[in-house]
Amino acid sequence: EIVLTQSPGTLSLSPGERATLSCRASQSVSSSYLAWYQQKPGQAPRLLIYGASSRATGIPDRFSGSGSGTDFTLTISRLEPEDFAVYYCQQYGSQYTFGQGTKLEIK
Amino acid sequence: EVQLVESGGGVVRPGGSLRLSCAASGFTFDDYGMSWVRQAPGKGLEWVSGINWNGGSTGYADSVKGRFTISRDNAKNSLYLQMNSLRAEDTALYHCARAGHAFDIWGQGTMVTVSS
Repeated sequence: EIVLTQSPGTLSLSPGERATLSCRASQSVSSSYLAWYQQKPGQAPRLLIYGASSRATGIPDRFSGSGSGTDFTLTISRLEPEDFAVYYCQQYGSQYTFGQGTKLEIK
Repeated sequence: EVQLVESGGGVVRPGGSLRLSCAASGFTFDDYGMSWVRQAPGKGLEWVSGINWNGGSTGYADSVKGRFTISRDNAKNSLYLQMNSLRAEDTALYHCARAGHAFDIWGQGTMVTVSS
């Protein structure tokens, strides 16, 4: 099973700042089958990024994904108030596993 | 509108059974694999089970293997999860999700509580 480790556990930033979230896999993720999701309280997760760097439909271009192999990054270029949420990475190249999440909170 | 709506959750005693359903609408259901993902209260996401477009291939997390069975009825645009021998640690909100590009569509979930 591929284990995904996200860091940091909590990230405290202000609106307008840049956010960088990390996801590290215990072994290489095939074909960059790595996705990022956003989840707000009381809501279902929402797909942001798939294939490590492709934005899902309707996702603003301030969200970007990068990386390959075992190291992946989600970047939010300028934080908007609605971006404060929990973010999960997921690999879907070898069955499916999720990271434990990064909480992005307002500083 | 593309939509997934889960039902069938509830309170059940340890060792009991439940059958969850997921009704799909707004897309061609049999074009997609589907999965169940759960989230225990205050915890992260855990993939539970998945099924390919025609039901010919299924997969399960080790935590539920041998106890849960996933199935689908393409004529009814529906996905199911039969859960047997339920344990306290199965308590969670269960979401169904469409496997397009990753899990691109999610339902709001149905709550399962296993308690004596």
